[in-house]
Amino acid sequence: NAGVTQTPKFQVLKTGQSMTLQCAQDMNHNSMYWYRQDPGMGLRLIYYSASEGTTDKGEVPNGYNVSRLNKREFSLRLESAAPSQTSVYFCASSEGQDLNQPQHFGDGTRLSIL
Amino acid sequence: AQSVAQPEDQVNVAEGNPLTVKCTYSVSGNPYLFWYVQYPNRGLQFLLKYITGDNLVKGSYGFEAEFNKSQTSFHLKKPSALVSDSALYFCAVRDIRGGATNKLIFGTGTLLAVQP
Repeated sequence: NAGVTQTPKFQVLKTGQSMTLQCAQDMNHNSMYWYRQDPGMGLRLIYYSASEGTTDKGEVPNGYNVSRLNKREFSLRLESAAPSQTSVYFCASSEGQDLNQPQHFGDGTRLSIL
Repeated sequence: AQSVAQPEDQVNVAEGNPLTVKCTYSVSGNPYLFWYVQYPNRGLQFLLKYITGDNLVKGSYGFEAEFNKSQTSFHLKKPSALVSDSALYFCAVRDIRGGATNKLIFGTGTLLAVQP
């Protein structure tokens, strides 16, 4: 079972470059999320999509955009990368209708901005 | 405001000894609490959750957590630690801001190190 798949696993960018992080889930989940993980700060929500066709800002949305392409896929775009966006990015999904179901996570994309 | 706090950055325990990883929460209304574990270079994995009912919740890999409403705590416990339990542990609370969603607010994480 693949679960949540993120691509790429690693990426190095130069300041000002753009990039799209891809995420796909095969669990027929309604809700999807993008987080960033930084040392000592836990996970912070960037954007989420409660259901196909909707997206909303999370705690730290500045510098990012998202697209819920279909029910399976939720991409995160950095239009002009900055060193402060160096982080590990995680995509997650959850059932949606049952608000107390856990989130399922991908293995992350490790992004360095030089 | 909704939040969770994990007061210990790291917990060290000897293999075979009981372990506790602490979490306190601040919510308006009923708390919906979760524990996740992260192994190196992997995503978070769900361990257990408290929604309602018994204060002692049992989860994966022999872990359990005790919900204490008066102390606003949700500590993770295991009777006998294994070296393979060494990982980063996150406490989380469901974020009810913005209506009915499944968003979570995570603590900063506690690194559990189990020595052989």
